[in-house]
Amino acid sequence: KNQVEQSPQSLIILEGKNCTLQCNYTVSPFSNLRWYKQDTGRGPVSLTIMTFSENTKSNGRYTATLDADTKQSSLHITASQLSDSASYICVVSFRSTTSGTYKYIFGTGTRLKVLA
Amino acid sequence: GAVVSQHPSWVICKSGTSVKIECRSLDFQATTMFWYRQFPKQSLMLMATSNEGSKATYEQGVEKDKFLINHASLTLSTLTVTSAHPEDSSFYICSASPGRAYYEQYFGPGTRLTVT
Repeated sequence: KNQVEQSPQSLIILEGKNCTLQCNYTVSPFSNLRWYKQDTGRGPVSLTIMTFSENTKSNGRYTATLDADTKQSSLHITASQLSDSASYICVVSFRSTTSGTYKYIFGTGTRLKVLA
Repeated sequence: GAVVSQHPSWVICKSGTSVKIECRSLDFQATTMFWYRQFPKQSLMLMATSNEGSKATYEQGVEKDKFLINHASLTLSTLTVTSAHPEDSSFYICSASPGRAYYEQYFGPGTRLTVT
């Protein structure tokens, strides 16, 4: 069964600290993995996207890693800011062999709270 | 680029009435649009996938007669919640993709529906 699991479910850190969010998946065949940031009451905004051959991708203070062998990804946030408080969602996509369309499996997200 | 808008951003309606939510791709043609709903502290749940000019494909458990989806043009899809009830109160988010076999999807800002 295609699944995406994220941990921790929630996280509280102090401003300026680093943190790492985890994403494990069992989606097959794998196409790409994306991390989204979703502010409360807003739609998700893409942070990074990685394909099978990519191990790491950075976007400012956000760095995502991917280990396609172990089917694990992480999102590292450096020098956290109050504005980083949000939900972070891991989404893994695969291409349907029957229809040719892309399917998306969403993780349950990690709620991050950055405190001053 | 790749901006998706939703209207309205929030709506309050009385039980039994119908509500229409619009999703527009502002700077690209969206062959495929997705509709999600999200309950508090939960991840996005795919409701249906719509391709321009054809009937929407609904996920298991989603009533197609209650959630009417129309994708009449390459830049507009609408979701109509018919005979709304308080349990339909939720955050509805659309996303758009330039193609059926294209893995990128761009999210709208969401619409908060409250049924009283």
